[in-house]
Amino acid sequence: DAGVTQSPTHLIKTRGQQVTLRCSPKSGHDTVSWYQQALGQGPQFIFQYYEEEERQRGNFPDRFSGHQFPNYSSELNVNALLLGDSALYLCASSLGPPTGGWGNEKLFFGSGTQLSVL
Amino acid sequence: SQKIEQNSEALNIQEGKTATLTCNYTNYSPAYLQWYRQDPGRGPVFLLLIRENEKEKRKERLKVTFDTTLKQSLFHITASQPADSATYLCALDFQKLVFGTGTRLLVSP
Repeated sequence: DAGVTQSPTHLIKTRGQQVTLRCSPKSGHDTVSWYQQALGQGPQFIFQYYEEEERQRGNFPDRFSGHQFPNYSSELNVNALLLGDSALYLCASSLGPPTGGWGNEKLFFGSGTQLSVL
Repeated sequence: SQKIEQNSEALNIQEGKTATLTCNYTNYSPAYLQWYRQDPGRGPVFLLLIRENEKEKRKERLKVTFDTTLKQSLFHITASQPADSATYLCALDFQKLVFGTGTRLLVSP
């Protein structure tokens, strides 16, 4: 049973460029959440996709956008990259919507994509 | 806005002792609280979930408490081992999971 897979594992970009990160959820999961984790910090929620729609969004600018495909896989796009976008980008999958709210569902994380913006 | 506080300083303990990590929060009353473990260069791994009406939850050597009056959760690892060395994150249900900054635990032999 494959867990959450993310690609690529590492990426180096320059300021102003655009990047696309990919995520395949754990088998049987239909919900994908994206998190940004800067060095020494906890994961920061970017957005969540369920039924191919963005259901929740964190405090991130419109440069961050996403998509979910019919097979539940997902992409995270970041435009006009800034140095401050350098971070580990984590994808997490779950089975939703869970009874009692989204906090009642444990997340399964991939190993992340390490993005460096130079 | 909601705020989650975990000890930013690493916790160093000796093998065999009990490690206790703290998660404090403000400005909200979450229905659920979760704890995750994260190793360097890897994604977090789910450990335990506790509901607001549960005072305590156990899983093998792990124990979590949830005090909604104090707005605090304690995470205990008994009989700690060097393999328990990692960063431990608490996550609260604010209609989406919001993570704390994590506390690094170092268990020396």
